[in-house]
Amino acid sequence: AQKITQTQPGMFVQEKEAVTLDCTYDTSDPSYGLFWYKQPSSGEMIFLIYQGSYDQQNATEGRYSLNFQKARKSANLVISASQLGDSAMYFCAMSVLYNQGGKLIFGQGTELSVKP
Amino acid sequence: DSGVTQTPKHLITATGQRVTLRCSPRSGDLSVYWYQQSLDQGLQFLIQYYNGEERAKGNILERFSAQQFPDLHSELNLSSLELGDSALYFCASSVEEEGEVGETQYFGPGTRLLVL
Repeated sequence: AQKITQTQPGMFVQEKEAVTLDCTYDTSDPSYGLFWYKQPSSGEMIFLIYQGSYDQQNATEGRYSLNFQKARKSANLVISASQLGDSAMYFCAMSVLYNQGGKLIFGQGTELSVKP
Repeated sequence: DSGVTQTPKHLITATGQRVTLRCSPRSGDLSVYWYQQSLDQGLQFLIQYYNGEERAKGNILERFSAQQFPDLHSELNLSSLELGDSALYFCASSVEEEGEVGETQYFGPGTRLLVL
């Protein structure tokens, strides 16, 4: 079964430090995509970063990088130089082909709190 | 701002009633997805439409239905509402070429539904 697991319900980080949010996935499909989304307290879902299953290099987007370890089926999000505005829920998601369409499967999320 | 719009932002209604949630995708996006976010179930895929046609169906109740119109906006209809239907309903859109897993889904701000 296809599944995303985020084992850290909540995490704290000091402002300006780096933090890693864990994500493991399970799928038997060779082709899949991995995403991270941020959900602030206001509720919207903000796309952060994407990694394809065939991508050779880890994805980076500004302060966000994705540590993709295919053999371990992990796709951890690294946020460098944390800012107070990074406090939010973070969701790891996997895209799979489904009934000729696509859907995202989400993990349960990690709540990140950045301390001043 | 993702470019995806949803109305209304908040909806309060009573059990047994019917409501319609509306979504306009980003300009140029042909696929619309509906997701439900609740405390007990997390983020769950409901249904996907591509260029007016139903493409994939997830954990959508029979009391719920959706459609995508020729101008590509979509509506999610929820009927015979129960207390457990209270949730945040997201619409997302993507360009989505058939068979692709790498298309990013951009989320609207959501409609927060409260059933009393």
